[in-house]
Amino acid sequence: EIVMTQSPATLSVSLGERVTLSCRASQSVKNNVAWYQHKPGQAPRLLISGASTRATGIPARFSGSGSGTEFTLTISSLQSEDFGVYYCQQYNNWPPLTFGGGTKVEIK
Amino acid sequence: EVQLVQSGSEVKKPGESLKISCKGSGYSFTTFWIGWVRHMPGKGLEWMGIIFPRDSDTKYSPSFQGRITISADKSINTAYLQWGSLKASDTAMYYCARFFQGYVGESFDFWGQGTMVTVSS
Repeated sequence: EIVMTQSPATLSVSLGERVTLSCRASQSVKNNVAWYQHKPGQAPRLLISGASTRATGIPARFSGSGSGTEFTLTISSLQSEDFGVYYCQQYNNWPPLTFGGGTKVEIK
Repeated sequence: EVQLVQSGSEVKKPGESLKISCKGSGYSFTTFWIGWVRHMPGKGLEWMGIIFPRDSDTKYSPSFQGRITISADKSINTAYLQWGSLKASDTAMYYCARFFQGYVGESFDFWGQGTMVTVSS
């Protein structure tokens, strides 16, 4: 089973700041990574697939990069609606599909 | 418009059985996998399993194999998640989600609203 490890666990960020979230795979998953945003009381929302392709309707301030075992989700300028927990997920070798443990983004 | 509508919240006692549902609309239900994801209070997302409604091909996470059953009725565009004997540790929000497989990549692109399951004596 491929293990996805996210860091940091929690991030406190001021509005307008640049945010960088990391995700590491226990073995190469090529570029087969998706990112999701999950807010309390809501269903998760797809942000990125293919490591770097934004889903329909996702603002351009969200970008993804990486391949192999190291991946990054960047929010170029944090907005108030961007709080929540962000998860990476690999689909290179499934089952199982595996999620990272999540990074909680708090507004400072 | 693609929609996944899940059944309502449930309160059950330990040892009871339960089946929750996820009805798809706005797309060809039989041509996309439907997955189930658990979210326990204060924890992360966990993939439980997935089903291809056209032929009911089903795959389970090792963490959930033997404890849950995933099924689908393609005649009514509905997928199911069921437990034979619930435990308190099954208390969680459960999401269904459509698994899209395309040229760019694969992902859970549409999600149900979630079904809260509470197991308490």
